Order: sequence, then structure tokens, then C-alpha cells
Amino acid sequence: SQQGEEDPQALSIQEGENATMNCSYKTSINNLQWYRQNSGRGLVHLILIRSNEREKHSGRLRVTLDTSKKSSSLLITASRAADTASYFCATDADGTASKLTFGTGTRLQVTL
Amino acid sequence: DVKVTQSSRYLVKRTGEKVFLECVQDMDHENMFWYRQDPGLGLRLIYFSYDVKMKEKGDIPEGYSVSREKKERFSLILESASTNQTSMYLCASKGGGRETQYFGPGTRLLVL
Repeated sequence: SQQGEEDPQALSIQEGENATMNCSYKTSINNLQWYRQNSGRGLVHLILIRSNEREKHSGRLRVTLDTSKKSSSLLITASRAADTASYFCATDADGTASKLTFGTGTRLQVTL
Repeated sequence: DVKVTQSSRYLVKRTGEKVFLECVQDMDHENMFWYRQDPGLGLRLIYFSYDVKMKEKGDIPEGYSVSREKKERFSLILESASTNQTSMYLCASKGGGRETQYFGPGTRLLVL
């Protein structure tokens, strides 16, 4: 069953702007991960945040996690055309990554 | 770098045919996964394997079977392809104590 739901489904911004996408989930988690998928390709892991963390940074990526609201957000700062892709959150209930539950994804379009 | 390869990028088959999708990883990972990806539904887990000859059903195993005879190779089998199995199929692997999955480039299957 799909646990993660991303919002918005699609987002279009101009280069240099920030992009924020949100993920909500339903059950308790050990960690939440964000993946990126370029058109027609496989997924690439971006960042992982554990249930006891509230915020994490990696380069231009900032992830927050609110376990009380069962939600996470991914912020991409100073976006580039190369950031154009679909972004998925994935929840890991037991910390083994043996059964990730993926959301439906946010399609980000960054225009010049 | 972990490399996960899938035997075909695009495949066209006819209804009723037996279809084999092959996935190979080169990092000695214990766990391997098969997902299908459909618009608006995100990724859904079909089967996964945590060891050679071991398998577990995912969320949507109906109409599929798998085989893992060697650690590096995980095959997805559609015994009798149907049009509703037209989809993007993604293979992933995990191991080495890592908490993330590594994905192949995907196989886009069209069943006519």
C-alpha cells in the first residue's frame, strides 16, 4: 500500500528559485528517505533523515521531519535546470531499508 | 560505485507470452527488489529477496514470480503477460549495512 503522498504533484519554477515539496505518511517510521528520478531512469538516493532528527542538510538540499504530523519536506535551494526530475519520499518502518514504501512523487520542472 | 543493470531498457511483448526481466548487481548485496512504477501510483513492491533462493512477496505479487539462483542476479517472471502489466519495472539492491537502495535504470515493458 502507498504510505507516502507527495504534495504538490507537479511544481514549475525558474532557475535560481527555491523548490519545496512535501511528503505525508501514515504509520510510524525509523527513517524517511528522498530519492530523485530523472525522466525514464532509475531512482537515486538523495538524503536520509532518521525519526529522531528534525532537520538535515546536504549541499543545496534541506530536509525536515515532523513525526508528530507524520510529514517531511524537501527544500532545494537555488534550483538549476539540472534539478528537473521527479522526487519521491520513501518511508522505512524498521530501519533495514528492506521494505521501503514510496510516495507518488513530485514532478519538478526548472526553467531557465 | 554500486552498479545495478537491467537486461533491457525497452521491451514489447504480446499477451500470453512468458516474459523474463533480468537484474544484476555488482556489489555483493544481499537484498534485491522488483518494483513497478505507474503514473499516479508511485513505486509498488512486487517481490524482494534477502538471500539466494529466498524470496518474499511484496504488495502486488499477483501475476509475477521471481528467481534468485545467484546472489548477483534477480529475475522477474511474468508467466503469461497481460496488458495490465504494461509498466516501468525497476530493480534495486541493498546491502553492506547500508540503509538505502540502489536502483537500476528500469525496463519499460509494453504488452500488446
